[in-house]
Amino acid sequence: GDSVTQMEGPVTLSEEAFLTINCTYTATGYPSLFWYVQYPGEGLQLLLKATKADDKGSNKGFEATYRKETTSFHLEKGSVQVSDSAVYFCALSVSSGGYNKLIFGAGTRLAVHP
Amino acid sequence: DTAVSQTPKYLVTQMGNDKSIKCEQNLGHDTMYWYKQDSKKFLKIMFSYNNKELIINETVPNRFSPKSPDKAHLNLHINSLELGDSAVYFCASSQEAARAEQFFGPGTRLTVL
Repeated sequence: GDSVTQMEGPVTLSEEAFLTINCTYTATGYPSLFWYVQYPGEGLQLLLKATKADDKGSNKGFEATYRKETTSFHLEKGSVQVSDSAVYFCALSVSSGGYNKLIFGAGTRLAVHP
Repeated sequence: DTAVSQTPKYLVTQMGNDKSIKCEQNLGHDTMYWYKQDSKKFLKIMFSYNNKELIINETVPNRFSPKSPDKAHLNLHINSLELGDSAVYFCASSQEAARAEQFFGPGTRLTVL
């Protein structure tokens, strides 16, 4: 079935370090791919998305490229800040009976220290 | 204005009780969802409604009954609560489109004692 696999956390970085959170997926058809972020005590917010192969999603300094050949959608940021500390979820959107549903990875907690 | 709101934010109750969680969205979306997030942060879809009709029903015990009085509201009623129901429940909404972004509410933390 359709699934998303993320690297296990927590990921602990110093401020201004480079971030990579790996995400790979298994899906039939051509899913859309998303990264959501969940700050402590809050709901999920869409961080970025890509709807087809080779698309690059970007927002707030984060980037991810839809790689069909490696079925990956890795999240990167060149210089993290303390305020980026959160749980990051990779997700894919699949069609179910003509409607879409999101399948999430297990989430990766990021902790950034000053 | 809050786009997707849920009430209550926290809910503590005893095993065996019946409780409801309410969700409202003011985005004009056609589709609404309920997700369950367990203690390890794993998120799984439970239900989805489109224009008040149930369209996705994952393998969820029938103690859980969603109700959509109109397309802006999706409530979740849970009968005979069990310890394993303790989780954070998120409501979300989206436009009816294959690749539409989903907007999430702030979550309801349910604790069953």
